[in-house]
Amino acid sequence: EAQVTQNPRYLITVTGKKLTVTCSQNMNHEYMSWYRQDPGLGLRQIYYSMNVEVTDKGDVPEGYKVSRKEKRNFPLILESPSPNQTSLYFCASSLSTSGGLQYFGPGTRLLVL
Amino acid sequence: GENVEQHPSTLSVQEGDSAVIKCTYSDSASNYFPWYKQELGKRPQLIIDIRSNVGEKKDQRIAVTLNKTAKHFSLHITETQPEDSAVYFCAARFMKTSYDKVIFGPGTSLSVIP
Repeated sequence: EAQVTQNPRYLITVTGKKLTVTCSQNMNHEYMSWYRQDPGLGLRQIYYSMNVEVTDKGDVPEGYKVSRKEKRNFPLILESPSPNQTSLYFCASSLSTSGGLQYFGPGTRLLVL
Repeated sequence: GENVEQHPSTLSVQEGDSAVIKCTYSDSASNYFPWYKQELGKRPQLIIDIRSNVGEKKDQRIAVTLNKTAKHFSLHITETQPEDSAVYFCAARFMKTSYDKVIFGPGTSLSVIP
């Protein structure tokens, strides 16, 4: 089954404690992206990757890091989480850069205390 | 910078009526415009999309129109049903040699009243 998976689905942590949210797709997609969703603000792009070892900043990259060492995986790293990073996070992927974000992961709800 | 505006923010319609959601984008270089539906507690799902070389696209009760000159595009849902109730997001893809970003509108909460 074609899918994008994220882990964990829910996470409560404290300020400053490094965490990683994993994202994996099994469709051999080139393009992957991370979004955060906040009430009234829609989805805002954090980082994206057009292929292995190619990553770039989206609109709200501050406080986040990513890596793309393998085509299927695109982890999101919060080196020192802060309360303003409390949000719902989605990973997404598409076959190529000419297509849309056709597949979203199930989301990770993060609470930073 | 790149921006996508979306109106209205909330929309209530009677079952069977039509619903229209409008979006405008800032960068004339945008060439791809997807629409997503997000039900409560679920992930966004792509429902229809349109490319810049097409003016209109239909899929059963859903249609999208694009006016490149005015830089706006719209989602039309006909014969609405209660299961159409959700938040709808428009998006625009901004592709240049140095980057490839997708910008979402803030969303429209659609309620279909039985």
